[in-house]
Amino acid sequence: GAVVSQHPSRVICKSGTSVKIECRSLDFQATTMFWYRQFPKKSLMLMATSNEGSKATYEQGVEKDKFLINHASLTLSTLTVTSAHPEDSSFYICSASSLGLVWESDTQYFGPGTRLTVL
Amino acid sequence: KNEVEQSPQNLTAQEGEFITINCSYSVGISALHWLQQHPGGGIVSLFMLSSGKKKHGRLIATINIQEKHSSLHITASHPRDSAVYICAVEETSGSRLTFGEGTQLTVNP
Repeated sequence: GAVVSQHPSRVICKSGTSVKIECRSLDFQATTMFWYRQFPKKSLMLMATSNEGSKATYEQGVEKDKFLINHASLTLSTLTVTSAHPEDSSFYICSASSLGLVWESDTQYFGPGTRLTVL
Repeated sequence: KNEVEQSPQNLTAQEGEFITINCSYSVGISALHWLQQHPGGGIVSLFMLSSGKKKHGRLIATINIQEKHSSLHITASHPRDSAVYICAVEETSGSRLTFGEGTQLTVNP
């Protein structure tokens, strides 16, 4: 089956610094990647959708200058939290979707998530 | 009203019990996902359904497209099944998911 990895799994940073989270599809080409955020005891909230080679589409209320998304290749998308603040502390999850997988078309495969703590 | 509603929100069961978690949605969908999230947060995709029924081990997922309803069943539940189970719908193929609030399942030995 398709595998999506995220790195790092946990990160602690100081307020004001920037943090980059990587999402990789390991054995398939991801035409679309999604970035989600999860607050404690809440469900996932879509932040943005990125298609390889084009600008990400952000959901309403998500600051695109704060959460920079790059999807430069079919196997890698990155989320950079710029000038992080304690309220950015959250669990960030990516998923990857590919058209035309032989065994399961058009489904989404989730990464394991990255827990960000901003001090 | 949320587009995706799950019930119950919390469920406690004894080991061995048969468990059902329900998901209702209000939009047209191309697929419905059942996800499992363990403490610590990692998400595992259990099923993707567009019709009928799927079975994997002790897990069974069904969907009724006309009634806009899906159920996740766990047979012979075990404490290791304790997790949050999340229903999510995909409105068009390969598109964003809309998530339910999740069902916290606790299976006691």
